[in-house]
Amino acid sequence: QQQVKQSPQSLIVQKGGISIINCAYENTAFDYFPWYQQFPGKGPALLIAIRPDVSEKKEGRFTISFNKSAKQFSLHIMDSQPGDSATYFCAASKGNAGNMLTFGGGTRLMVKP
Amino acid sequence: KAGVTQTPRYLIKTRGQQVTLSCSPISGHRSVSWYQQTPGQGLQFLFEYFSETQRNKGNFPGRFSGRQFSNSRSEMNVSTLELGDSALYLCASSALGTGAEKLFFGSGTQLSVL
Repeated sequence: QQQVKQSPQSLIVQKGGISIINCAYENTAFDYFPWYQQFPGKGPALLIAIRPDVSEKKEGRFTISFNKSAKQFSLHIMDSQPGDSATYFCAASKGNAGNMLTFGGGTRLMVKP
Repeated sequence: KAGVTQTPRYLIKTRGQQVTLSCSPISGHRSVSWYQQTPGQGLQFLFEYFSETQRNKGNFPGRFSGRQFSNSRSEMNVSTLELGDSALYLCASSALGTGAEKLFFGSGTQLSVL
């Protein structure tokens, strides 16, 4: 059972554009929602994370929007750059489950110069 | 500060063999988690260790096991390898293991089972 569904699987954006990746979750016990960025040959790296008590969190060009009632959250990358080309994963975890993250399927982002 | 170190970087084994992968967490980190990454199944949680005790376990068969040493270093073992075990195995560490904290991933061990 896939508890976190991510879309799209791949995304092509022009330099300077906005990249938007969406995730939906099923388990209402999830209370921590991070986004990870992974470059080829490297492990995932935490980009930004949100708790369900806020609807939006912004860090630089990266913003998470969170809709608790719809059980959805999304990553927005403003002013996308070729260096942002990577695979992005959303994830979710429960507070009593330590570092057990449930990941979405990933989105391969390509930013064209 | 050195990052999470995983060895070896690449490994080739044949079906039926067993394999041991090693992970050295960031200095001072007490929680170590292991994940399997495949093109088909994505990133899946294997297990987490904290203070030498397994705290959480994912939905993997008993052929997958792990342990953590007193210096927080961790190993995972896969016995009786199957073709489907071919994957990138990622280790991640965190300071307190309380959840909802920053996980630092290593670059992984790429295991190929022939």
